[in-house]
Amino acid sequence: DTGVSQDPRHKITKRGQNVTFRCDPISEHNRLYWYRQTLGQGPEFLTYFQNEAQLEKSRLLSDRFSAERPKGSFSTLEIQRTEQGDSAMYLCASSPRTSGGVYEQYFGPGTRLTVT
Amino acid sequence: DQQVKQNSPSLSVQEGRISILNCDYTNSMFDYFLWYKKYPAEGPTFLISISSIKDKNEDGRFTVFLNKSAKHLSLHIVPSQPGDSAVYFCAALTGNTGKLIFGQGTTLQVKP
Repeated sequence: DTGVSQDPRHKITKRGQNVTFRCDPISEHNRLYWYRQTLGQGPEFLTYFQNEAQLEKSRLLSDRFSAERPKGSFSTLEIQRTEQGDSAMYLCASSPRTSGGVYEQYFGPGTRLTVT
Repeated sequence: DQQVKQNSPSLSVQEGRISILNCDYTNSMFDYFLWYKKYPAEGPTFLISISSIKDKNEDGRFTVFLNKSAKHLSLHIVPSQPGDSAVYFCAALTGNTGKLIFGQGTTLQVKP
């Protein structure tokens, strides 16, 4: 396992459709994060998991968004009834839990969503 | 409310010279600061970090300086190389959640 992987890399969908993205973190990393990045901006935090527990959700995450991490391994991010404003790069990151020290997060290549 | 700001959208330097990227923050509760580099079509790659109790951290050509009184940090790259051309993000976190709060990014171009 060489890093965080995300699938698909690109997704084009029509407004109103549902989409689901997958993230496979680095093995044994128990923290997993989702971020969203729009053009000209830095990534914005959406939600994070420690093992299978979803511990925090951003207010950016409307009711149309849901994330899961069954069994504390891979994670999925689903967007229901997509809107054009959902068009963005969706980034996944993972990190090990350490006792003290910085939680370096390792990012995947992202999934670029285009809603037409 | 932009808690982490990178006020320079772009920076151009000559190969071999020093690149200085700046970042300001507003939240004095941040525990760590990190710099990430991002190439097109790739996710951000971790570069270097600094704890809020330090004022300097060095790793090879990269040095990060933290001025807590000014709520300012900077990344120095010496010497700059064309391969350093990328978007650089400053990020901050509080220890409990580990979630990162990013600045808007600065595009660095290193000219040969």
